[in-house]
Amino acid sequence: GENVEQHPSTLSVQEGDSAVIKCTYSDSASNYFPWYKQELGKRPQLIIDIRSNVGEKKDQRIAVTLNKTAKHFSLHITETQPEDSAVYFCAAMTGRRALTFGSGTRLQVQP
Amino acid sequence: NAGVTQTPKFQVLKTGQSMTLQCAQDMNHEYMSWYRQDPGMGLRLIHYSVGAGITDQGEVPNGYNVSRSTTEDFPLRLLSAAPSQTSVYFCASSSQGGEKLFFGSGTQLSVL
Repeated sequence: GENVEQHPSTLSVQEGDSAVIKCTYSDSASNYFPWYKQELGKRPQLIIDIRSNVGEKKDQRIAVTLNKTAKHFSLHITETQPEDSAVYFCAAMTGRRALTFGSGTRLQVQP
Repeated sequence: NAGVTQTPKFQVLKTGQSMTLQCAQDMNHEYMSWYRQDPGMGLRLIHYSVGAGITDQGEVPNGYNVSRSTTEDFPLRLLSAAPSQTSVYFCASSSQGGEKLFFGSGTQLSVL
């Protein structure tokens, strides 16, 4: 089955700096890659997603890049704010329609 | 719309007991799934369904059963609870075959 590895497990940045979280996947047939944000005690919520036929996607301060050849994708958050503090999960979906998640990155934005 | 509703929010079981975690959605989503979340391990897929009458196993299905008799409901059954099943359980649904998942608020389960 699919295996998704996510790094780093924790990330601390100063407010206004950029944050980058990286994921690798194992199944070359995976074709959909979402990112979820989970605040403490809350449910995960989708923040951005990308399909395998697209290399980059942006939505205001967040962007995702995908390198199919290397089987890795990354989340970029610019101009970080304290409300960006949360756990972020990457995921990958194969043709079986099963979504496999990474282990998560705890992002802390220091004011 | 209530979205995805999970009940109960909290549950304590004794080893060997059985129970059903309920999940209902009112968005007419065909796709529904169950995940468990353990510290440091992210979200792991237990079972999922691409439509009424169709279910499939995820990466950690052992000890859990599901059925999908209606579009709205996707209950998760623990047949004989074990301490290893202590976790937070999330139900999620999608109108796009598993993409853009909407999650419920979760059920915190403790098995003693």
